[in-house]
Amino acid sequence: GQQLNQSPQSMFIQEGEDVSMNCTSSSIFNTWLWYKQEPGEGPVLLIALYKAGELTSNGRLTAQFGITRKDSFLNISASIPSDVGIYFCAGQKSNAGGTSYGKLTFGQGTILTVHP
Amino acid sequence: GAVVSQHPSRVICKSGTSVKIECRSLDFQATTMFWYRQFPKQSLMLMATSNEGSKATYEQGVEKDKFLINHASLTLSTLTVTSAHPEDSSFYICRVSGQYEQYFGPGTRLTVT
Repeated sequence: GQQLNQSPQSMFIQEGEDVSMNCTSSSIFNTWLWYKQEPGEGPVLLIALYKAGELTSNGRLTAQFGITRKDSFLNISASIPSDVGIYFCAGQKSNAGGTSYGKLTFGQGTILTVHP
Repeated sequence: GAVVSQHPSRVICKSGTSVKIECRSLDFQATTMFWYRQFPKQSLMLMATSNEGSKATYEQGVEKDKFLINHASLTLSTLTVTSAHPEDSSFYICRVSGQYEQYFGPGTRLTVT
């Protein structure tokens, strides 16, 4: 099935460094979501974006919905060891702002390792 | 507390047997439930989408007779892997969707020996 192009595939950083990852698509999505998954667990939603150009923060996390609706990025500032995990972007065709969530298309994931 | 539960969290079965995985939404009514499969170090791949009281819609390449999905109520969906084979070993995750919210379950690790 269709997947989003997510990069980088993996990152090895020192504690305190900032992290940036992004997703691109050849088609338009009306909702972009960013998830974190830890080993042996299901993904947990970090940030949801509903409008093109929207910039949203959640603590040390910031994500933006690209103006073309075909891309999104996630930044993590001042990384800490507990940021370790796999980060996934996901796009949804239908508009989920106040309506039910539908099928998601996922990126390949970015494996983040943070060295103390 | 957890909004979505899956049972069992881990299961080991012999080749040729069937395994049932439950997904329950605990605090809200899930109009739609999605089942995903995730192989090690890979992304989540959607298997099927089910709405309460109706037949599941399967993604291309997913055998509906092998992966039986039942969504009998707004709080429970089950995935049964029939005649399991070692290549069915994977991490199975449900996602539940209500009108204004959606959550993933904690996943079920299936190992077929």
